[in-house]
Amino acid sequence: EVQLVESGGGLVQPGGSLRLSCAASGFSFSSYWMHWVRQAPGKGLVWVSRINGDGSNTNYADSVKGRFTISRDNAKNTLHLQMNNLRAEDTAVYYCARGLRIGVSGTVDSWGQGTLVTVSS
Amino acid sequence: DIQMTQSPSSLSASVGDRVTITCRASQGITSSLNWYQQKPGKAPKLLIYAASSLQSGVPSRFSGSDSGTDFTLTISSLQPEDFATYYCQQSYSAPLTFGGGTKVEI
Repeated sequence: EVQLVESGGGLVQPGGSLRLSCAASGFSFSSYWMHWVRQAPGKGLVWVSRINGDGSNTNYADSVKGRFTISRDNAKNTLHLQMNNLRAEDTAVYYCARGLRIGVSGTVDSWGQGTLVTVSS
Repeated sequence: DIQMTQSPSSLSASVGDRVTITCRASQGITSSLNWYQQKPGKAPKLLIYAASSLQSGVPSRFSGSDSGTDFTLTISSLQPEDFATYYCQQSYSAPLTFGGGTKVEI
C-alpha cells in the first residue's frame, strides 16, 4: 500500500524558513515523479513543485520560484520542500503526492494527509 | 502559463441527477486533463486522467470527455457520496495548473 506522510509544518514568521518532509513507503520511490500541492484555508488546490525520480529535473510554480526548493533522498525514501522567505500568502496545507505511474510527470494519484504551514507574526 | 477555467463554481443537485462540470484551457493541451474529487478535510482523489480514462476503483458513473480545449466531467447518476468539490488539472506542461473547483451541494 502506498503511504505518504508529511511532516515539518507549523507556525513561522514572515521572512522565515521551514523545511517540509514526506516519508514514502509501499512503492519504488526512486522511480516516480513526486509533487507538492498546497491549499490555502477555504481555497482551491495549487500545484507548487515536482521532481523526477533521480532528482535531476525540477519545476516550480511562478509564485514560489526562487524561494522554494524541492529535493529528494532516495536512500531514505523521503521528499523535501525547503521554503525560504515565507509570506502570509504561503499559508496553506501542503500535500505531497506521487506520480500516477513510473515516468508520468503531470498526473498524481496518491496523496499524503497534508501538513499545515501558517505564516504569521 | 496555461489557465484552467472551471464552471460552474458551485451547483445544487439531487441524488440521481445527471451532473456536468466543464473546464476550459487557455490553450491547446491535447488530452492532458485530469479530474479530482475532494471532500472536506481530506486529500484529493484522482477520478479521471488523460481526459477520459477512469482511474482504477472509481465508479463507472464518472466519465470524462474532451472537445478541443473544452473538457467535461459527467456524473451520470449522483450518489450521496458524490457531494464534494471537483477540480480539473492540466498535465500538459509545467507549471501544472488546477481549475478553481466546482462544489457540488445538495
